[in-house]
Amino acid sequence: NAGVTQTPKFQVLKTGQSMTLQCAQDMNHNSMYWYRQDPGMGLRLIYYSASEGTTDKGEVPNGYNVSRLNKREFSLRLESAAPSQTSVYFCASRTTGDQPQHFGDGTRLSIL
Amino acid sequence: QKEVEQNSGPLSVPEGAIASLNCTYSDRGSQSFFWYRQYSGKSPELIMFIYSNGDKEDGRFTAQLNKASQYVSLLIRDSQPSDSATYLCAVIVLGNEKLTFGTGTRLTIIP
Repeated sequence: NAGVTQTPKFQVLKTGQSMTLQCAQDMNHNSMYWYRQDPGMGLRLIYYSASEGTTDKGEVPNGYNVSRLNKREFSLRLESAAPSQTSVYFCASRTTGDQPQHFGDGTRLSIL
Repeated sequence: QKEVEQNSGPLSVPEGAIASLNCTYSDRGSQSFFWYRQYSGKSPELIMFIYSNGDKEDGRFTAQLNKASQYVSLLIRDSQPSDSATYLCAVIVLGNEKLTFGTGTRLTIIP
C-alpha cells in the first residue's frame, strides 16, 4: 500500500546543476501536484496536472518544469538550481470532485 | 485578504483539555473542507473532512462547518502530547482542481 512515492528523499546540489524529482502514485488518481514548503510560508503550489497529458502553473512556477509521464507519474525538474530553491518538496495526488489530496513523504533539497 | 486564513499560533493547550483550531475562507464557492496534521519534518496527513454544514465527529476529533459565516473549525478533545503538530486547513472551490491551503496553526499540548 505505497500511496504516493517520492524519490529521492534527500539531495544536495550545487548552484547551476539540474535535477529531476520523481513522484509516482498507485491509487489511480487523476490529479497530481507539486508543492514546496519553506519555514513560515506554508505549502505553495508549483505545478499541477488535472489529468494525464495536461499541466498547469501554480503559485510559484518560475525555475521549474514538469512532465506528466503517464497517469501514475509526475516529475518536477530544476534546470539550473538556485539557492532560493532550497526547500522541502511534496508531491500529492487525488481523484476528482470533492476528494482530498494524499501526500508523499517529501524530498529535502539543499542547493549550495 | 488570503483565501484561507488560520491563526499561526503557537496555540498552547494543557493535556486533557479541548484544543480549538479555526479557519476562515473567502470564496463562497468553497464546497469541501479538509484538516491535515503535519508533524515536524513529516508530510501532511489527512485527519478530517467535512462537506455539509454542522458537526462531524471522528473519535476525539470534531470538524465544524458554518458556510454562512465562512468558517470551519477543528476541535480536539482530551488533548494528548502526541497531538502537538501543525494543523493545516484546506478547501476546494467548486469546479477547481486545486486545494487552497492555509498557512497552518502550530499546536502544542503541555503535559
